[in-house]
Amino acid sequence: GESVGLHLPTLSVQEGDNSIINCAYSNSASDYFIWYKQESGKGPQFIIDIRSNMDKRQGQRVTVLLNKTVKHLSLQIAATQPGDSAVYFCAENKNTGNQFYFGTGTSLTVIP
Amino acid sequence: DTGVSQDPRHKITKRGQNVTFRCDPISEHNRLYWYRQTLGQGPEFLTYFQNEAQLEKSRLLSDRFSAERPKGSFSTLEIQRTEQGDSAMYLCASSSGTGADQPQHFGDGTRLSIL
Repeated sequence: GESVGLHLPTLSVQEGDNSIINCAYSNSASDYFIWYKQESGKGPQFIIDIRSNMDKRQGQRVTVLLNKTVKHLSLQIAATQPGDSAVYFCAENKNTGNQFYFGTGTSLTVIP
Repeated sequence: DTGVSQDPRHKITKRGQNVTFRCDPISEHNRLYWYRQTLGQGPEFLTYFQNEAQLEKSRLLSDRFSAERPKGSFSTLEIQRTEQGDSAMYLCASSSGTGADQPQHFGDGTRLSIL
């Protein structure tokens, strides 16, 4: 089946620095992607999404980049704060189906 | 709070017992999903409802699992004859619209522990 993988399982950054979390996907037919943040003991929290007809999308302090040529997705967090410490997941979907496929996740730790 | 609500938050039971979880989606969200998440892994899709109709089930959903959404609002997930391998976080999510390309909003899950 389809798979979503993350390059790095853990990431540590200094407070105030920018963070980049990467995600590789294998299904070229996927056309919708979501980044989620999950804190301990809580459910995944929607951060930002992007459709395959876009290369970049910006939110508040976050930017998602999509490179369809190499099937790569990244989440950039500007001026990382301690509250950003969490596990981040990317999820992919084919609009012809109802299933979202999640990767294993990247644990982000922000060092004060 | 108008987010997705799940009950109970924690459930501890002995192997072989039946358990039932409830999910109340965001009001007016017609799409409802159940996922299972084990430690260190991302959520795995279990099943999906469009209003009251269960339209898709994962092969992960064995015969011991059953889900319902009788009135197209809240949903229940029942596990019969629980096994050790059923220990996990069970997450519910909901979304609006007619397609899957809409953000899913998750509840905080029910953590199931099988003794």
